[in-house]
Amino acid sequence: QKEVEQNSGPLSVPEGAIASLNCTYSDRGSQSFFWYRQYSGKSPELIMSIYSNGDKEDGRFTAQLNKASQYVSLLIRDSQPSDSATYLCAVNKAGGGNKLTFGTGTQLKVEL
Amino acid sequence: KAGVTQTPRYLIKTRGQQVTLSCSPISGHRSVSWYQQTPGQGLQFLFEYFSETQRNKGNFPGRFSGRQFSNSRSEMNVSTLELGDSALYLCASSLGPAGETQYFGPGTRLLVL
Repeated sequence: QKEVEQNSGPLSVPEGAIASLNCTYSDRGSQSFFWYRQYSGKSPELIMSIYSNGDKEDGRFTAQLNKASQYVSLLIRDSQPSDSATYLCAVNKAGGGNKLTFGTGTQLKVEL
Repeated sequence: KAGVTQTPRYLIKTRGQQVTLSCSPISGHRSVSWYQQTPGQGLQFLFEYFSETQRNKGNFPGRFSGRQFSNSRSEMNVSTLELGDSALYLCASSLGPAGETQYFGPGTRLLVL
């Protein structure tokens, strides 16, 4: 079992729809969770960080964390073609310093 | 604030050579982490430095090494390059060493021929 799992996609949604991206992790000691967006040929860009169970909203983005079920998700409302990218889920373990373990990423395509 | 800077941005080397990559973190950030990204393995953690000390190391051979200077700038070195070392090498900076948010630089794309 991979430490951090994501569906590779592609996930296709129409413009204006809600895109839902999911991530599961295996280590119950994980304490910090991050979503990064990576455009082709570019470096990862931070979208959201979440540390506590529940929802965290920032503009069109909402991160959801459920530690009991060991999953974290990212919702993108009113999806735009510019949201088309690969979304990387990253997890940090307690006592792990800044070592991030990444999923393989979900490719999102927002279609006109 | 200026973001994370990495030099060089692109590099072509041949097998057996060595390479040194440089990273300057965001001003005020004292922790620097390095990652390797390849199509096959994705993003993998190499090592992390804070206050000039390596605090974490990933599962990479000893050919991969790094260091951090007193101004928080960091370098990583890969000796005896192999074809499989071709990758995007990413540096990320954060304020401190305790699982804090990391911001990535643009990366150095290394091609080993």
